[in-house]
Amino acid sequence: DVKVTQSSRYLVKRTGEKVFLECVQDMDHENMFWYRQDPGLGLRLIYFSYDVKMKEKGDIPEGYSVSREKKERFSLILESASTNQTSMYLCASSLGGSGNQPQHFGDGTRLSIL
Amino acid sequence: SQELEQSPQSLIVQEGKNLTINCTSSKTLYGLYWYKQKYGEGLIFLMMLQKGGEEKSHEKITAKLDEKKQQSSLHITASQPSHAGIYLCGAWSSYKLIFGSGTRLLVRP
Repeated sequence: DVKVTQSSRYLVKRTGEKVFLECVQDMDHENMFWYRQDPGLGLRLIYFSYDVKMKEKGDIPEGYSVSREKKERFSLILESASTNQTSMYLCASSLGGSGNQPQHFGDGTRLSIL
Repeated sequence: SQELEQSPQSLIVQEGKNLTINCTSSKTLYGLYWYKQKYGEGLIFLMMLQKGGEEKSHEKITAKLDEKKQQSSLHITASQPSHAGIYLCGAWSSYKLIFGSGTRLLVRP
C-alpha cells in the first residue's frame, strides 16, 4: 500500500513564525502535491513537484514556498505565518507519466496560527 | 475552467439502505476518481474510472462513468455506519486534479 506520511496531525504556531510542514512518501512517486482544505472552498492546490528540485505554483502559492531535495520528501514552508493560513493541509503523491494516475493522500495537518 | 458538481451535498440514510451520489462535470471527462474522507483526516482513494461505460466495485461501493453525460455515480449497497464520511470526486483538468465540493454521508444505525 502507498504510504504518505505528514509529520504532524495538529500544529499550533504564532503569527510571523516560519512554519515547516513535512511530507514523506514511500512508493518512489515522482509527483508530489500540497493542498489546503477549507470549509466552503474545498481543496485548493498550493504547489506541486514533478521531480526532485522541481516545483510549480498551484492556484494559491502566495505566502508559501516548497522544497524537494529528495524524491520522497516534499516540504511546505510558510515564510511568515498569518492567521488566514489557519487550515487543514494535505499532502499527496502520485506516479509520474500520464495524468491518469490517482493521487494518494496523507492524513493531513491541522494548522492553527494564533 | 472545468468544474465538478456533486449531488446531493449531504445525505442521511438508515443503515441497510442503498444510496447514490452523483458527480457532474462541466466539460468532457477523461477519467474520474472517487475518494472518501473521514472528518479531520486525509482522503482515501476508492477507485478510478477511465473509460465511458466503465463500472468498478470495491466491497459494497460501485462507481460508473457515463462520458456522454459527463457524469459519474457512486452507489452504496446496504449502507453501514462505516460508510459515513465525505465522498469527493476528482478529475484531471489541465495540469491538476480538481475536486467536487463533496457529499457528506451519515448512516444512522
